[in-house]
Amino acid sequence: DAGVIQSPRHEVTEMGQEVTLRCKPISGHDYLFWYRQTMMRGLELLIYFNNNVPIDDSGMPEDRFSAKMPNASFSTLKIQPSEPRDSAVYFCASSLMAGSSGNTIYFGEGSWLTVV
Amino acid sequence: GENVEQHPSTLSVQEGDSAVIKCTYSDSASNYFPWYKQELGKGPQLIIDIRSNVGEKKDQRIAVTLNKTAKHFSLHITETQPEDSAVYFCAANSQRKLIFGQGTELSVKP
Repeated sequence: DAGVIQSPRHEVTEMGQEVTLRCKPISGHDYLFWYRQTMMRGLELLIYFNNNVPIDDSGMPEDRFSAKMPNASFSTLKIQPSEPRDSAVYFCASSLMAGSSGNTIYFGEGSWLTVV
Repeated sequence: GENVEQHPSTLSVQEGDSAVIKCTYSDSASNYFPWYKQELGKGPQLIIDIRSNVGEKKDQRIAVTLNKTAKHFSLHITETQPEDSAVYFCAANSQRKLIFGQGTELSVKP
């Protein structure tokens, strides 16, 4: 399997622009996670889906952030409008069952976002 | 909510020495504790995990120990090699989520 695939790998955008990050989870995995990594806050869980349904979005920072999973093989994380403080590495991850129950969470290689 | 504290934030050792990273957690209901390794420019990758029904688990040069009473767990790497240089994260499950520590940047000097 190719693993979790994220795009773009790098994005530089101007403040106020819309940013869309994309993710293809590992085939057959029922859980999909979006994490954000910064030096200050470490790895934060933003939202996770089970069978394409959002289960917990309590980590989404504010209304500027939204995530969708229209089908089992695709998810997006959108930031509109973007701000410099959104600069971070965004990871998509997936697992066969609930990662918190002891099932391995597999991470993608991340999308490095810089908002100037 | 769950809080996972990880120490130290940076660790430098000589090749061949041992490295120990420690984590504490706050949720007494946590029962799953994975460790992830993140190499530069890549996503975190699971290297070992432990469940609350065991106190220690070993996989070649890597071992984890768990003290549920004290709510702390540790990662031990023996005979360190330059390729062990990376950022290591501990995590604990809480309320159906994995909560990560802040990470430890390990540098192994040849």
